Amino acid sequence: AQSVTQLGSHVSVSEGALVLLRCNYSSSVPPYLFWYVQYPNQGLQLLLKYTSAATLVKGINGFEAEFKKSETSFHLTKPSAHMSDAAEYFCAVNAKAAGNKLTFGGGTRVLVKP
Amino acid sequence: EPEVTQTPSHQVTQMGQEVILRCVPISNHLYFYWYRQILGQKVEFLVSFYNNEISEKSEIFDDQFSVERPDGSNFTLKIRSTKLEDSAMYFCASSVGGPLQNEQFFGPGTRLTVL
Repeated sequence: AQSVTQLGSHVSVSEGALVLLRCNYSSSVPPYLFWYVQYPNQGLQLLLKYTSAATLVKGINGFEAEFKKSETSFHLTKPSAHMSDAAEYFCAVNAKAAGNKLTFGGGTRVLVKP
Repeated sequence: EPEVTQTPSHQVTQMGQEVILRCVPISNHLYFYWYRQILGQKVEFLVSFYNNEISEKSEIFDDQFSVERPDGSNFTLKIRSTKLEDSAMYFCASSVGGPLQNEQFFGPGTRLTVL
């Protein structure tokens, strides 16, 4: 079975501050990991994905995530938050043994303060 | 830029009624999916569809649910007899290839409210 846990359902950061969103996964086989972002009234948009190549993955909008097998983590970071980063962020896992689906974490809503 | 579209954006229905949620996947994509998100809960996988048949479904996807690709462009989710607990945001997604590496592109969702 595969599962994803996102620590913190809400995160508040100041504009210009570091954004750190935590994601831990559980998978019996090497996973593929994804971060999606959802802006208000929009669908889920892929930020970045890990597919067993480089462990540090760079995505769109200045986000990056590092796969750490020893910690079963895939935390998302951005060095400097912008107001436009206010959204909900979802971590997701897809493991081959789990079949044809994404399993999502509970999501983290990011509020950016001016 | 190509995108997945969904109609309607909001659907209100009475318990026991049938609803059909519609999706137009990206035109060259071959794999199609439905997910749902009950308010305050996780996004959950419902079903995946490839080559005109269901390739996988979750335990949520019981006999009340069905999917169809009636023509070359639409992908529909039908709920035969809606229950209060079917109230959720329903997302359609598509991908070029198999889901393990290929990005799933999501539509904006249909908010279903069952009264």
